[in-house]
Amino acid sequence: AQKVTQAQTEISVVEKEDVTLDCVYETRDTTYYLFWYKQPPSGELVFLIRRNSFDEQNEISGRYSWNFQKSTSSFNFTITASQVVDSAVYFCALSEASTGRRALTFGSGTRLQVQP
Amino acid sequence: DADVTQTPRNRITKTGKRIMLECSQTKGHDRMYWYRQDPGLGLRLIYYSFDVKDINKGEISDGYSVSRQAQAKFSLSLESAIPNQTALYFCATSDSSRGARNTEAFFGQGTRLTVV
Repeated sequence: AQKVTQAQTEISVVEKEDVTLDCVYETRDTTYYLFWYKQPPSGELVFLIRRNSFDEQNEISGRYSWNFQKSTSSFNFTITASQVVDSAVYFCALSEASTGRRALTFGSGTRLQVQP
Repeated sequence: DADVTQTPRNRITKTGKRIMLECSQTKGHDRMYWYRQDPGLGLRLIYYSFDVKDINKGEISDGYSVSRQAQAKFSLSLESAIPNQTALYFCATSDSSRGARNTEAFFGQGTRLTVV
């Protein structure tokens, strides 16, 4: 069965610090998709990134970067020079291709507090 | 207007009452989902639907039922609400069509349900 673990329940940093959010996943599928979503205090879920299991290229988008390592089943998310607006709950999620349903299995989330 | 719209946004109901949460989408996606979010647990899948004639249970379907009235509409019902169904509920859609470039789920803004 698929599983996503976000061991960090809450992280607090001071503005401009770099912060890494950890995500470890379990799946028996060889084809799967990994996602990160952001949930700001307003409550909506904002899609940040998708990564396919066959594409281990890391990605950088502005202050955000993602490190996908199949060898350790991890898909970590780094925010560089954090800002107060980054304060939110961040969810890592997994979708297996074999089931066809494409439903997401979520981690429990990491609450990030960025202090001014 | 939002691509995925949930109504109501907030609802307080009494134990034993029947309540329906509605979801409509303008994205033209075939797949729709209902998730429930509880603090510290992330989002968990209640039901999902591939199309109007295809409804499937998720991990926590007990106490819930759904109806896919049209491709664009997917309703979640609590036949007899109980206090531990107090949660934030999300509807989501995804596109399974051949050639779809993105497989991420698009979420509604959520319905905060309180059962007293």
